[in-house]
Amino acid sequence: DIQMTQSPSSLSASVGDRVTITCRASQSISSYLNWYQQKPGKAPKLLIYAASSLQSGVPSRFSGSGSGTDFTLTISSLQPEDFATYYCQQSYSTPRGFTFGPGTKVDIK
Amino acid sequence: QVQLQESGPGLVKPSQTLSLTCTVSGGSISSGSYYWSWIRQPAGKGLEWIGRIYTSGSTNYNPSLKSRVTISVDTSKNQFSLKLSSVTAADTAVYYCARERQQLVLFYFDYWGQGTLVTVSS
Repeated sequence: DIQMTQSPSSLSASVGDRVTITCRASQSISSYLNWYQQKPGKAPKLLIYAASSLQSGVPSRFSGSGSGTDFTLTISSLQPEDFATYYCQQSYSTPRGFTFGPGTKVDIK
Repeated sequence: QVQLQESGPGLVKPSQTLSLTCTVSGGSISSGSYYWSWIRQPAGKGLEWIGRIYTSGSTNYNPSLKSRVTISVDTSKNQFSLKLSSVTAADTAVYYCARERQQLVLFYFDYWGQGTLVTVSS
């Protein structure tokens, strides 16, 4: 099974900060990596697919990079609506299954 | 705009079967290169993929739940359903249905239902 880890597990940041979240896979997953944002009481929302492709309607301050085992999600200038939990998810092992990372909570400093 | 809505009992007794339905609106469940998935999230915890179905009826399940899960589709009603048998308190979670888009070899969840809390308790 492919295991996903994320770091940090939580971070505090201020509006306008540049924020970087890291996701690591236990084996190479090429670019089969997606990122989601989840706010309390809401469903996750797709931000990035295929490691670096921005989902339609998602602000350009969000970007993704990486391939193989190491990936990053960057928010170039944190906005008040960006305080949320972010999850990475691998789709390399389709159809045997998908796995999500444990999440990174971004809160207000 | 595609919308998904989960429905079903919010309380299930231990050892019984959890049954949920997801109704898709704004588009046909049979159109396009889409799978239809169930994902759950225990309170304060992360996301766990349960399984998925294609409109042909082909299914894939999380190996850790496979022995207890059945996902089915009713294209005439634009719905797909989840059954999870022999539930315990560990199955208490918010259950989400989601559309999984396929682009060549890429797969990602682009639309989600709002989620429904299912509590397993006597």
